[in-house]
Amino acid sequence: SQQGEEDPQALSIQEGENATMNCSYKTSINNLQWYRQNSGRGLVHLILIRSNEREKHSGRLRVTLDTSKKSSSLLITASRAADTASYFCATDAEGNTPLVFGKGTRLSVIA
Amino acid sequence: EPEVTQTPSHQVTQMGQEVILRCVPISNHLYFYWYRQILGQKVEFLVSFYNNEISEKSEIFDDQFSVERPDGSNFTLKIRSTKLEDSAMYFCASRSESTGELFFGEGSRLTVL
Repeated sequence: SQQGEEDPQALSIQEGENATMNCSYKTSINNLQWYRQNSGRGLVHLILIRSNEREKHSGRLRVTLDTSKKSSSLLITASRAADTASYFCATDAEGNTPLVFGKGTRLSVIA
Repeated sequence: EPEVTQTPSHQVTQMGQEVILRCVPISNHLYFYWYRQILGQKVEFLVSFYNNEISEKSEIFDDQFSVERPDGSNFTLKIRSTKLEDSAMYFCASRSESTGELFFGEGSRLTVL
């Protein structure tokens, strides 16, 4: 299975702190994507990193990818209460295969 | 900004009944997907659809499930005879060819009693 697995399952931090979530996967990928889900809502795409990239930034988000370790991390800097959500990594394997999602990390940012 | 829309937002049905969940993908996207999420659990792939046919399906997508694109805009998921364990959020998504990003709808919550 190419399924990504996020770590930790749950994370609780104070507003202003940084939050780091990790994702591990098993097979070769074209790209890895991170999504956010507010409770009871749909998933929203945050950032995509291709297999030939090592780091990518978008606003307060920083994603790294280590294909040798088959792992990725998502860093949210200067977290806000509004960042409270579940965060999922999804792997896009080679070929037109569907995205496979991990179990997610539930982030709680306390004001 | 274009978006994926899903109806109904919530459906309650009796076990054994047929359910049809509807989705309108983003108009210039070519790949469409159904995923489901049982409460508090991971997002599971059900089926992908391209060029008016199923391109891939998971083990969950058994004979009770079917998908259809009856016209140029709607993309439907039918569950013929619902079971209690079909209770979940069902998400439709369409894929951008240029970025590979999935655009998700807000989901249809199915409750089977």
